[in-house]
Amino acid sequence: GIQVEQSPPDLILQEGANSTLRCNFSDSVNNLQWFHQNPWGQLINLFYIPSGTKQNGRLSATTVATERYSLLYISSSQTTDSGVYFCAVGASGSRLTFGEGTQLTVNP
Amino acid sequence: DVKVTQSSRYLVKRTGEKVFLECVQDMDHENMFWYRQDPGLGLRLIYFSYDVKMKEKGDIPEGYSVSREKKERFSLILESASTNQTSMYLCASSQSPRAQFFGPGTRLTVL
Repeated sequence: GIQVEQSPPDLILQEGANSTLRCNFSDSVNNLQWFHQNPWGQLINLFYIPSGTKQNGRLSATTVATERYSLLYISSSQTTDSGVYFCAVGASGSRLTFGEGTQLTVNP
Repeated sequence: DVKVTQSSRYLVKRTGEKVFLECVQDMDHENMFWYRQDPGLGLRLIYFSYDVKMKEKGDIPEGYSVSREKKERFSLILESASTNQTSMYLCASSQSPRAQFFGPGTRLTVL
């Protein structure tokens, strides 16, 4: 099956800093999503981005499918951005394989 | 907004009990999924369904079954709960092959 590798595994920032999270995958995909899991366990879908670039407020994502990676950018981070960020990919249909996540801590 | 609800936030059961976890979505999505999340193991797919009465095994289906009698409802069944099924269970839905939306999760403890 597809392998998904996320980096870094842990990231600690001061409020206001910018960050880049990376997701590498081992095979061609037609489905790629980024999620944020808050400290209460709720998973929120941030982006559905099998290719190209999208922006939503302070967050943006870019997927370069031909080179098998995706990047999630967080600008002007806030304490509410803390949590685990997951990348998930799929090669056919709607089934996803999740990476192990990046644990982000934003300190005030 | 898409809403995915799960029947319980916390659940405590005894070994050997039959356990039902219910999930309901209100967006007429074709696909529904059950995952479990464990520390160090990430999210793993148990079963998914792409239509009413249709189901496919995920990566870890052993010890579980599912039921989808109506489009909006997807149930996960533990026929005989065991302590190694203590976990966070997450339900999701999507319109194929778009964004998946998750419910709040059920933290199940099997004693």
